[in-house]
Amino acid sequence: AQSVSQHNHHVILSEAASLELGCNYSYGGTVNLFWYVQYPGQHLQLLLKYFSGDPLVKGIKGFEAEFIKSKFSFNLRKPSVQWSDTAEYFCAVNVLSASKIIFGSGTRLSIRP
Amino acid sequence: EAGVTQFPSHSVIEKGQTVTLRCDPISGHDNLYWYRRVMGKEIKFLLHFVKESKQDESGMPNNRFLAERTGGTYSTLKVQPAELEDSGVYFCASSRAGGSVNTEAFFGQGTRLTVV
Repeated sequence: AQSVSQHNHHVILSEAASLELGCNYSYGGTVNLFWYVQYPGQHLQLLLKYFSGDPLVKGIKGFEAEFIKSKFSFNLRKPSVQWSDTAEYFCAVNVLSASKIIFGSGTRLSIRP
Repeated sequence: EAGVTQFPSHSVIEKGQTVTLRCDPISGHDNLYWYRRVMGKEIKFLLHFVKESKQDESGMPNNRFLAERTGGTYSTLKVQPAELEDSGVYFCASSRAGGSVNTEAFFGQGTRLTVV
């Protein structure tokens, strides 16, 4: 069965630190890849997405992610985090043959001011 | 343009009672999805409507859950009778027609269901 793995359940960083959140998926076919974010008290929002083309995609608020097909990975990065980045981050895979989105378990990011 | 809206935002019911959750997708979105997140775990797919038809209901936990989307507009998810393990946050999402290719799903704020 298809699955999405997020390696870190809770990450704590200081402001200005660099961030990398891991995401791996298990599906060999064509996929679309997403990172969603849920800020405290708010609903899930799309951070960035990969459908095709350049495997390095840039999203909102300075986030980027790199799709490495050979590693089935789609890690999220940000060079310098801010306190306002405190949120929960979800990696998701859209399996095109099934037309549904499969989510990882989420990574809670806490930023120390 | 209004986003995906869900009602209620929070529901507390006793075990054995019935609860109905509602989702209003973005106008014109044919695809509607229900997801559930039990505390601390992944967001799990429940089912997918294309207009009024159930495209995939492989994630529905059991026959206590019934989802409908009459007329292809809003959708309801009924839990009857509710059990303790049904507690969690139920998310709804919608996307435009054309299946999932190059389409983005927009999520509602979720309904937090607590069964006591």
